[in-house]
Amino acid sequence: AQTVTQSQPEMSVQEAETVTLSCTYDTSENNYYLFWYKQPPSRQMILVIRQEAYKQQNATENRFSVNFQKAAKSFSLKISDSQLGDTAMYFCAFMNRQTGANNLFFGTGTRLTVIP
Amino acid sequence: DADVTQTPRNRITKTGKRIMLECSQTKGHDRMYWYRQDPGLGLQLIYYSFDVKDINKGEISDGYSVSRQAQAKFSLSLESAIPNQTALYFCATSDRTGLRGQYFGPGTRLTVT
Repeated sequence: AQTVTQSQPEMSVQEAETVTLSCTYDTSENNYYLFWYKQPPSRQMILVIRQEAYKQQNATENRFSVNFQKAAKSFSLKISDSQLGDTAMYFCAFMNRQTGANNLFFGTGTRLTVIP
Repeated sequence: DADVTQTPRNRITKTGKRIMLECSQTKGHDRMYWYRQDPGLGLQLIYYSFDVKDINKGEISDGYSVSRQAQAKFSLSLESAIPNQTALYFCATSDRTGLRGQYFGPGTRLTVT
């Protein structure tokens, strides 16, 4: 079974500063994807960034980037130049590609508050 | 128009009542999912479906049932609602590659009194 751990229930950051959210996972599989989802107060789940396990290069999407350490099973999210609109719950998620079901296993989330 | 829609968006029901939550998608994806979100627990998978003829239990299927009426429609039923089923419910879809993750509906807030 896959488990995903987010050890920071809450974090805060000053506007324009940088913040890093942590995520670790446990799996015996080699073929998987990792994702970060954002859930603002509207409660909509929004994909922020993804990482394919077979790629060594860390994914980047504008102000969002990841630090993927496969051997350590670590997948952290860095948000640069934080904006008020980044205030949300952030969920790390694991997808096992082996079965083809594409099920997602989620961590418990980190509530991020951006302070003006 | 939204790619994944859920009805109703909010629902209050009484213990013992049967309730159905509906999900429709226009993305043309074959895989569909139902998740439950409780505070502090993240999202947990209830059921998932590869296609109309293939439905599978997830982590927390007890007390729930599903129906895949068509490729675009996937309904979740609570046969006899109980208060600890009060939660936020999400429907999601995925294509076969999974490369873009899953696309989520807006969620249904269900309260069982």
